[in-house]
Amino acid sequence: GAGVSQTPSNKVTEKGKYVELRCDPISGHTALYWYRQSLGQGPEFLIYFQGTGAADDSGLPNDRFFAVRPEGSVSTLKIQRTERGDSAVYLCASSLDRGPYNEQFFGPGTRLTVL
Amino acid sequence: AQSVTQLDSQVPVFEEAPVELRCNYSSSVSVYLFWYVQYPNQGLQLLLKYLSGSTLVESINGFEAEFNKSQTSFHLRKPSVHISDTAEYFCAVSAFGNEKLTFGTGTRLTIIP
Repeated sequence: GAGVSQTPSNKVTEKGKYVELRCDPISGHTALYWYRQSLGQGPEFLIYFQGTGAADDSGLPNDRFFAVRPEGSVSTLKIQRTERGDSAVYLCASSLDRGPYNEQFFGPGTRLTVL
Repeated sequence: AQSVTQLDSQVPVFEEAPVELRCNYSSSVSVYLFWYVQYPNQGLQLLLKYLSGSTLVESINGFEAEFNKSQTSFHLRKPSVHISDTAEYFCAVSAFGNEKLTFGTGTRLTIIP
């Protein structure tokens, strides 16, 4: 079966622009996570969805970042007024259900470059 | 809050030699522990995890890790490495009742033929 997919694989934008990053989780997975990985760092948690609702958005760095999952499947991470410091690989993961007994499967990531 | 420390950013090892990748964590509550691996040009994959029970856990490709609560460590070991083990390895924790993973900065394992 298909794994987690993310589009686009690469996104180059200019400072101040708006971007949307898309995540298609594994079919049937109710939990979805967004992480951000900066150069030389490990992934950093951004937000977690259980179904359609954001159960934990404590990792979003500021109000320029927003994510949705309107039908409990595909999720979109939205970044307004991008800054150079937003440049990173944005990773999406999904799991069958919540909890550590359910493995988080990661997508290949979207590399965002803000010029 | 939780934190994870991987002191070794790069570890070069000769093929068929043993290796240990170190991971220490800090947390005020009980945690679950994970090792993820990222092979060249691939996404993150779960290698092994400690949730409960035996403190020694193993992966299907010969890695093992031991949870040491007193030393707050979860070091990853393999008795004999292979070229195919070349990858970046990330240690991660999640707190009981919390879904998010907190990752270390990763250790790049390079196998020397």
